[in-house]
Amino acid sequence: EVQLVESGGGLVKPGGSLRLSCAASGFTFSSYSMNWVRQAPGKGLEWVSSISSSSSYIYYADSVKGRFTISRDNAKNSLYLQMNSLRAEDTAVYYCARESPLVEAFDIWGQGTMVTVSS
Amino acid sequence: QSALTQPRSVSGSPGQSVTISCTGTSSDVGGYNYVSWYQQHPGKAPKLMIYDVSKRPSGVPDRFSGSKSGNTASLTISGLQAEDEADYYCCSYAGSYTWVFGTGTKVTVL
Repeated sequence: EVQLVESGGGLVKPGGSLRLSCAASGFTFSSYSMNWVRQAPGKGLEWVSSISSSSSYIYYADSVKGRFTISRDNAKNSLYLQMNSLRAEDTAVYYCARESPLVEAFDIWGQGTMVTVSS
Repeated sequence: QSALTQPRSVSGSPGQSVTISCTGTSSDVGGYNYVSWYQQHPGKAPKLMIYDVSKRPSGVPDRFSGSKSGNTASLTISGLQAEDEADYYCCSYAGSYTWVFGTGTKVTVL
């Protein structure tokens, strides 16, 4: 079964850091670009970052540029998001999502992990 | 990058059709044929329903269809069913390897 499972969310104080992980299974992880998408409570979806299959290309939304770092370990079938200098507005459910090379869309999503930034 | 504009809510009776609009600019929706639509039930992850403006992934009922005209994309649900009640989000490629989502639309089945 094709599956993405996020972990690492939790409560963190403003200015703090957190590292999210996404474990992939059921497909050849190293062949796909991967993304992080977040959703603030009661709000819509927001694209956060993407990384190409070989980590050669990395992109960020302006809202997180300079604070978040996306990375991956193809040997471990894992995607990561290092979040630094966290702000209250970063509070959201963070989803990892697979970007299919055949379609320009996010075809597989994880169940999400909640990040709460509060003092 | 500003979110694409969707109506806050639409509703219809079972069997009816509803259409959700998604308005962007020439830099996103109007500039690329890379519009996708996602269905999200409460507390669940989004699910891909339409990609490349009008294509359906395997397993998505043909009651769901997509189209685009200029800077506005649309999702139509024909033969509305109770299980279609959910939030729907459009998404467009916005150039420079970035993506922008819509504001989201709540579909209510009366």
